[in-house]
Amino acid sequence: GAVVSQHPSWVICKSGTSVKIECRSLDFQATTMFWYRQFPKQSLMLMATSNEGSKATYEQGVEKDKFLINHASLTLSTLTVTSAHPEDSSFYICSARDRGRGYHNEQFFGPGTRLTVL
Amino acid sequence: GDSVTQMEGPVTLSEEAFLTINCTYTATGYPSLFWYVQYPGEGLQLLLKATKADDKGSNKGFEATYRKETTSFHLEKGSVQVSDSAVYFCALSWTGNTPLVFGKGTRLSVIA
Repeated sequence: GAVVSQHPSWVICKSGTSVKIECRSLDFQATTMFWYRQFPKQSLMLMATSNEGSKATYEQGVEKDKFLINHASLTLSTLTVTSAHPEDSSFYICSARDRGRGYHNEQFFGPGTRLTVL
Repeated sequence: GDSVTQMEGPVTLSEEAFLTINCTYTATGYPSLFWYVQYPGEGLQLLLKATKADDKGSNKGFEATYRKETTSFHLEKGSVQVSDSAVYFCALSWTGNTPLVFGKGTRLSVIA
């Protein structure tokens, strides 16, 4: 149990296009999902916290108009990179917190999406 | 604010060697503590966790004990294998909808 999927697993796009990444909790409900960005050989950088049915909370320095987050249901959150540029190339990872696992509930991570912008 | 500090890598060990990856945290109170592992090209997997002081988390031969006196959660394994080669992240978390706070990660390479 507690599986999180991401789609696509990798994507290559041209500069100026928009890319949508999906994050799904397959066997549990997630009121909260988190989006991270990871550069090569570095740690995860939290981009935003996504709450079902409300606006995402973005970390300082993350452009909310560039990285659009929608959390439409208890099992799906999407990250759209709008007008992507080469500097947006990165590994994007989502995680979800299982609302049903009690007080000290850990986060479950998706496998990541590698975005390459040409 | 809260923070997690891990030993710098990379760490290179021979197969069957003993592993220790140090992790200390700074926080007000007693958060839950985690070790996550990331294999090449993949997302993070929970390796083990501890939710209160003196708890020991263990999984796949790895262990870590929550030490509030030293605010530490060091990861250990008695005999590493080549398949343990990965990046290991120490993290802390509070309850509710707060995100994990990660250390910078420690890359482990195990050679045969």
